[in-house]
Amino acid sequence: ILNVEQSPQSLHVQEGDSTNFTCSFPSSNFYALHWYRWETAKSPEALFVMTLNGDEKKKGRISATLNTKEGYSYLYIKGSQPEDSATYLCALHGGSQGNLIFGKGTKLSVKP
Amino acid sequence: DSGVTQTPKHLITATGQRVTLRCSPRSGDLSVYWYQQSLDQGLQFLIQYYNGEERAKGNILERFSAQQFPDLHSELNLSSLELGDSALYFCASSAGSDPYEQYFGPGTRLTVT
Repeated sequence: ILNVEQSPQSLHVQEGDSTNFTCSFPSSNFYALHWYRWETAKSPEALFVMTLNGDEKKKGRISATLNTKEGYSYLYIKGSQPEDSATYLCALHGGSQGNLIFGKGTKLSVKP
Repeated sequence: DSGVTQTPKHLITATGQRVTLRCSPRSGDLSVYWYQQSLDQGLQFLIQYYNGEERAKGNILERFSAQQFPDLHSELNLSSLELGDSALYFCASSAGSDPYEQYFGPGTRLTVT
């Protein structure tokens, strides 16, 4: 059974702080890793799909890196804003079947 | 707005009953996935359909079934409902099974009393 671990479980930061979270996954038979942003009462919103070792992706103040050999990915948020408050999920792509195996998420709260 | 629609938004029903959740994928997407979010659990994959055919099965109970119709909308049928089936059920769609982004609908919150 594939297991995706995310840490920390929750994070409280001040507006303007930069922060990062970790997603760990089994490094064997890697296919792809997804990051999602999930705001309360909304649906998960896709941030990145990462497939190659050493991949680095960026969207505004949010970026992610991928290390498939050691089985981890980092998500960085530069200069956190209150609107960044959400749960950030990573998910391992289940190979050719396409289903996603989600971690439990990191809940970020940004105080003004 | 992801382009994926789900109905109903909320559903309250009693134990032992049967319900149907409906999902319409984004225009052009062939794959539909169903996920369940229970209290204290992460999003759990239930089942995937691709262009009308079942493609992958996850932790889906035998009391649950799904199908994808020729117009690509999908329905998830939950029967003999138990209290523990109360959860948020998400549908997602993607262009295919390759590592495309999956776009999530707004979810259906099912409460079994």
